[in-house]
Amino acid sequence: EELLVQSGAEVKKPGESLKISCKGFGKTLTNSWVGWVRQMPGKGLEWMGIIYPGDSDTRYSPSFQGQVTISADRSISTAYLQWSSLKASDTGMYYCARHFNSWSSPDLWGQGTLVTVSS
Amino acid sequence: EIVLTQSPGTLSLSPGERATLSCRASQSVTSTYLAWYQQKPGQAPRLLIHGASSRATGIPDRFSGSGSGTDFTLTISRLEPEDFAVYYCQQCGSSSRLHTFGQGTKLEIK
Repeated sequence: EELLVQSGAEVKKPGESLKISCKGFGKTLTNSWVGWVRQMPGKGLEWMGIIYPGDSDTRYSPSFQGQVTISADRSISTAYLQWSSLKASDTGMYYCARHFNSWSSPDLWGQGTLVTVSS
Repeated sequence: EIVLTQSPGTLSLSPGERATLSCRASQSVTSTYLAWYQQKPGQAPRLLIHGASSRATGIPDRFSGSGSGTDFTLTISRLEPEDFAVYYCQQCGSSSRLHTFGQGTKLEIK
């Protein structure tokens, strides 16, 4: 079965760092890209960036460049999204999704990771 | 960056009616790179249409997509109770390779 499984919900304080994960099971991520999408509470979907785990080729939306870091470990079919210093405005649901190539629409989604940043 | 504008923001219809959702791009979009998603409360988005008009695996044929250039449409021919949700269009720029989503259309029961 093709499946993307994300790490669990996080509650953090402003200024803390965080790294969330997205693991592909079976051949889910073989020769595929992984994108990250943010959904702030009650709002729409925002595409953040994309990575090819095979060689770590990474592209960011201008809105998120410098704000987050996307990485991957090909050996364990896992992609990551990390923050070095969280802000309250980073609160939201974060989804990973599979793209067959860098321009294709994401066809398979993880279940989402809820990140809450509050003092 | 290409901006996608969806209309209407909210659409109120009854089961059995036809729904027509619009997605307009700020510049021409390659049809191959235009998709539609459905999202229900508490769930991840689900791919409905890719390549502007191709249904994803397992999507009922009451869902159809059309359009080209800057204007795209998602049509639901006969609404079922489970179709009431939020719908997003999405595209990837052919030169930038950056993806964007529209702001969404909420389809609600009248």
